[in-house]
Amino acid sequence: KAGVTQTPRYLIKTRGQQVTLSCSPISGHRSVSWYQQTPGQGLQFLFEYFSETQRNKGNFPGRFSGRQFSNSRSEMNVSTLELGDSALYLCASSLGAGSEQYFGPGTRLTVT
Amino acid sequence: DQQVKQNSPSLSVQEGRISILNCDYTNSMFDYFLWYKKYPAEGPTFLISISSIKDKNEDGRFTVFLNKSAKHLSLHIVPSQPGDSAVYFCAASTGSQGGSEKLVFGKGTKLTVNP
Repeated sequence: KAGVTQTPRYLIKTRGQQVTLSCSPISGHRSVSWYQQTPGQGLQFLFEYFSETQRNKGNFPGRFSGRQFSNSRSEMNVSTLELGDSALYLCASSLGAGSEQYFGPGTRLTVT
Repeated sequence: DQQVKQNSPSLSVQEGRISILNCDYTNSMFDYFLWYKKYPAEGPTFLISISSIKDKNEDGRFTVFLNKSAKHLSLHIVPSQPGDSAVYFCAASTGSQGGSEKLVFGKGTKLTVNP
């Protein structure tokens, strides 16, 4: 069974631009969660989607948004990029409540 | 407010010996705990989990112990191998109650296993 895939793997953007990251979950997984990893803050939860609905949201500004499609694929969007948005963005999928999450390799975003 | 804490940023052990990684939590609502291993430039890899209804879960060389009264869990790796060298993250959720897949992570412990 194929794992979680994320595209692109690396991205360089400038301040003020917007970016869209993509995540394809493991086949059969309906829950997709997004996390941001930075050296200072560690791994922080952004949001989770289940059956195309945002079910949970972390403490990030509204510039961070996401969506999930009917095939469970998910996208994350960050608008008006700031230097502090430079991070590794990780996507994880799971069957649903109470099951372990499996992570993709991440998208390394650098904002200059 | 850090709800999941890994107080040791690093740990070094000899190959063949036991590695013990510790994790403390403050939120009594957490009822599902997981350990992940992470290599540089890769996503975290799921290792082992434990539900709050258990106090021990074993999978090969990996055993997780949960002490609910102390709000403490630990991961034991026996015997340790050089390939175990990585950053280990403890994570917790209230997911088993349904409706949330939000994982709260500790900051990680870098394990180095010396040959």
